[in-house]
Amino acid sequence: GENVEQHPSTLSVQEGDSAVIKCTYSDSASNYFPWYKQELGKGPQLIIDIRSNVGEKKDQRIAVTLNKTAKHFSLHITETQPEDSAVYFCAASIYNFNKFYFGSGTKLNVKP
Amino acid sequence: DTAVSQTPKYLVTQMGNDKSIKCEQNLGHDTMYWYKQDSKKFLKIMFSYNNKELIINETVPNRFSPKSPDKAHLNLHINSLELGDSAVYFCASSPEGQGGGAFFGQGTRLTVV
Repeated sequence: GENVEQHPSTLSVQEGDSAVIKCTYSDSASNYFPWYKQELGKGPQLIIDIRSNVGEKKDQRIAVTLNKTAKHFSLHITETQPEDSAVYFCAASIYNFNKFYFGSGTKLNVKP
Repeated sequence: DTAVSQTPKYLVTQMGNDKSIKCEQNLGHDTMYWYKQDSKKFLKIMFSYNNKELIINETVPNRFSPKSPDKAHLNLHINSLELGDSAVYFCASSPEGQGGGAFFGQGTRLTVV
């Protein structure tokens, strides 16, 4: 089955700086990669996703890049704000297969 | 309106008991899931249902039995609870045929004592 690895496990940045979280996956059949943000006491919330026919996708301050050859994808958050502090999860799946494999999570702390 | 709602939010029970967690989604999605999040925050899929049919069962002990009375509901019943069942359980849903990310409920923190 798919194995998704996520780094780093914790990340501390100063407000206004950028944050980058990286994930690798093992199954070359995976073609859909969502990212989730989980705040304390809440369920994971989908923040951005990318499909394998696209190399990069951007939504305001967040962007995701995908390198299919190397089997890795990254989340980039620019101009970080304290409310970005949360645990972020990457995931990989085969589109339409509806089975998601999650990374181990990154706890992001944005210091004011 | 809450898109994916699950009850209860907290559940404390003794070993050996049987308990249920309920989940409902009002998004019109065809696929629903149960995920388990352990103390290290690792999220692992347990079950997936599509239009009331079980499509994924990830080697979960048969003490766990999901039930889907209709495509908007997926309940989780757990028999003979064990200490190791303590975790946060998340229900989620996603649209069929489009893949797409799953929408999660707020979670049920189960503590077995």
